[in-house]
Amino acid sequence: DQQVKQNSPSLSVQEGRISILNCDYTNSMFDYFLWYKKYPAEGPTFLISISSIKDKNEDGRFTVFLNKSAKHLSLHIVPSQPGDSAVYFCAASPYNAGNNRKLIWGLGTSLAVNP
Amino acid sequence: GAVVSQHPSWVICKSGTSVKIECRSLDFQATTMFWYRQFPKQSLMLMATSNEGSKATYEQGVEKDKFLINHASLTLSTLTVTSAHPEDSSFYICSARDKGTGKYEQYFGPGTRLTVT
Repeated sequence: DQQVKQNSPSLSVQEGRISILNCDYTNSMFDYFLWYKKYPAEGPTFLISISSIKDKNEDGRFTVFLNKSAKHLSLHIVPSQPGDSAVYFCAASPYNAGNNRKLIWGLGTSLAVNP
Repeated sequence: GAVVSQHPSWVICKSGTSVKIECRSLDFQATTMFWYRQFPKQSLMLMATSNEGSKATYEQGVEKDKFLINHASLTLSTLTVTSAHPEDSSFYICSARDKGTGKYEQYFGPGTRLTVT
């Protein structure tokens, strides 16, 4: 049972345009959400996070939007650059996870930004 | 900041031998470290969670006697794959949470490619 779903396995965008990566979740106990970027044969790199008490968090070219009623979040990258081409993972943490706060991961979306 | 290293970055070993992978937080103290495994074209699979000075918590289906985890200090955790077999060949990645910030973000190491022949 996939609690964090990234329904688009891949996305292709033109350089300079907006990239929108989507993520849906099913567990209402999730209260913290994160986006990671990953290149092949490397560990994921933390991008941005959002707490469930907010609906938007912005950091430079990256903005994450959270719609709790729809159990949906999205990552916007504006403007997209060729160096953004990577696999993007959505992850969520439930508030009943205890102190360890393990993350539940989506399957990732491969973003290709074309020059 | 928040740099995590792993050693070795890749290793080839013979079937039946054991391999140790180190994970270090270089510029912060890690309350909790996590060990993941990634198969080709698949998502990250959490294997276990370790806290400094206590036993690791393993995910369902992960053999604790095969994947030994030691978290001896706030900056070092090790994963030992015992009696390795070809099906253990994979990309192993560790991550750590910063004790100082109290945030939930995990910072990842660069991963270790294990090939068992």
